[in-house]
Amino acid sequence: GENVEQHPSTLSVQEGDSAVIKCTYSDSASNYFPWYKQELGKGPQLIIDIRSNVGEKKDQRIAVTLNKTAKHFSLHITETQPEDSAVYFCAAREAPGTYKYIFGTGTRLKVLA
Amino acid sequence: DSGVTQTPKHLITATGQRVTLRCSPRSGDLSVYWYQQSLDQGLQFLIQYYNGEERAKGNILERFSAQQFPDLHSELNLSSLELGDSALYFCASSVGGSGNQPQHFGDGTRLSIL
Repeated sequence: GENVEQHPSTLSVQEGDSAVIKCTYSDSASNYFPWYKQELGKGPQLIIDIRSNVGEKKDQRIAVTLNKTAKHFSLHITETQPEDSAVYFCAAREAPGTYKYIFGTGTRLKVLA
Repeated sequence: DSGVTQTPKHLITATGQRVTLRCSPRSGDLSVYWYQQSLDQGLQFLIQYYNGEERAKGNILERFSAQQFPDLHSELNLSSLELGDSALYFCASSVGGSGNQPQHFGDGTRLSIL
């Protein structure tokens, strides 16, 4: 089955700098990759997603890139703000025919003011 | 606010007991997913229902069961509870059941076993 690895586990950046979180997946048939942000005491919140027929997607300060050949995808946050501090999870949908997400182990992002 | 409602927010009980967690999906969503989040295991998929039918199963213990009712709300039943069952339990919902659509999460139920 699918396996998702996420790095780094913790990341500290200065306010205004960029942050990059990377994930790799094992199943080349996976075709949907969402990213979630989880704040303390809250459930994961979808922030951006990408499908396998697209190489990059952007939404204001957040972007996701996908390299199908290398089987990795990355989250890029530019002009970071203190409110970006949270735990970020990547996920991959298992191959078509199954219905579940496999989540990475999370990255704790701290934006220093 | 994701539109997914989970109750209760907190649950404290003892080993050997049985509890029921409840989830109301977003309006219009037919699929409900249950996840367990513990410190050392991350987010683990338990089970999915689509329009009342079980669609996918993850690493769900035999002591755990779930169902989705005609009004599309779902319940996760945990029985013969053990200390290791202490975790956050999340419900998510999506419009369809194919898995390649966004899942929207509730704020979870924190289960503490004493």
